[in-house]
Amino acid sequence: EVQLEESGGGLIQPGGSLRLSCVASVFDVSDTYMSWVRQAPGKGLEWVSSIYRDGTIYYEESVRGRFTTSRDISKNTVSLHINSLRAEDTAVYYCAKIGVGRFGRSYFEIWGLGTLVTVSS
Amino acid sequence: SYLLTQPPSVSVAPGQTARITCGGDNLERKSVHWYQQKPGQAPVLVVFDVFDRPSGIPERFSGFTSGNTATLTISRVEAGDEADYYCQVWESTGDLYVFGTGTQVTVL
Repeated sequence: EVQLEESGGGLIQPGGSLRLSCVASVFDVSDTYMSWVRQAPGKGLEWVSSIYRDGTIYYEESVRGRFTTSRDISKNTVSLHINSLRAEDTAVYYCAKIGVGRFGRSYFEIWGLGTLVTVSS
Repeated sequence: SYLLTQPPSVSVAPGQTARITCGGDNLERKSVHWYQQKPGQAPVLVVFDVFDRPSGIPERFSGFTSGNTATLTISRVEAGDEADYYCQVWESTGDLYVFGTGTQVTVL
């Protein structure tokens, strides 16, 4: 059962913009904590952004100002808008549901399959 | 920024025990989580809150933290355990999430 499904990736020229979407099928994105995590080809995982139940949004420092996270409750979707794309933004972008454990909201309990963004001319 | 360091690779024979370490300052004061990622697939949570397992994860996977080092132990290793493994913590300062550098586990 696919609980999170990302879309919107593709080949984009440097300097362009892109909007990634993630639709949740089993739970309400308005009632939980969600994140975007990316993985460049052959590299490790990198947290990008989170949006919390109360609407608070956090970004990794290197993407702040170019990345914008939002959610659409009517579509049960979270989105990531990326401006001024750079070659180093090339990665698979995963949407993930943040789990709340004994120590609070701190881990990624459900992941989507990811969507590939390639920035190249 | 907070850093988590893992060995690049670990090799283990089938049936033996694999131990994957994750180093970070004052790690025992944080809740460490572990993910398994097979080639071409999304990561899967295998251990959370230091030693808890999500439903469906075998008891062969266990976690422990002492001092500045967290360890993921995979007992009775199987060929299907071959994957990349990442540790991760939540850093309250800045409300951000940090991943380890990742360890590739090879089953000989």
